Amino acid sequence: SQTIHQWPATLVQPVGSPLSLECTVEGTSNPNLYWYRQAAGRGLQLLFYSVGIGQISSEVPQNLSASRPQDRQFILSSKKLLLSDSGFYLCAWSKIRTTGEKLFFGSGTQLSVL
Amino acid sequence: DQQVKQNSPSLSVQEGRISILNCDYTNSMFDYFLWYKKYPAEGPTFLISISSIKDKNEDGRFTVFLNKSAKHLSLHIVPSQPGDSAVYFCAAVGGFKTIFGAGTRLFVKA
Repeated sequence: SQTIHQWPATLVQPVGSPLSLECTVEGTSNPNLYWYRQAAGRGLQLLFYSVGIGQISSEVPQNLSASRPQDRQFILSSKKLLLSDSGFYLCAWSKIRTTGEKLFFGSGTQLSVL
Repeated sequence: DQQVKQNSPSLSVQEGRISILNCDYTNSMFDYFLWYKKYPAEGPTFLISISSIKDKNEDGRFTVFLNKSAKHLSLHIVPSQPGDSAVYFCAAVGGFKTIFGAGTRLFVKA
């Protein structure tokens, strides 16, 4: 069966510090991968998605970046965190898109930037 | 610009009654619509979906209705149970992207 791992579960970082969140998927190959963020009291905002190694599409211009160094690994990074980067970050995967495939989400990372 | 809107931030329902969660969208190119359920500090989990070529899909206690002309969909839960208390997200799929609404928090009172 397929599983998705996302870590860490919680993270407290000072403003201006770097960030690296990692997500890996097991039990499938060539997944589509996604990073979403849920700010306090708000919905899920799509940040990045990837349909293959090295292929990254950005949805929201900001100081975050994403990379996909391996087929089942997706990394979210920042060189300098802002207060507004606080939120609940979710990694997700789906099968290669054919007809509205559902997303499978990780357990999330609660990031607090102080 | 919000392409998927859930205008009710919360809904409270008595156990055993029907819960109706609503969602509106603006982009007529969406080809699939899904509902996800989310508990605090967890990732959302898929609940039910509907293709844009259908107007109803049913799975046990959950039914999703789609009105394409009104660009509106709704999720019906009947009978509602206390374990259904969670945040429900409406989502629309177009191409590789899934766009989510802001969510509706459902409270089912025993």
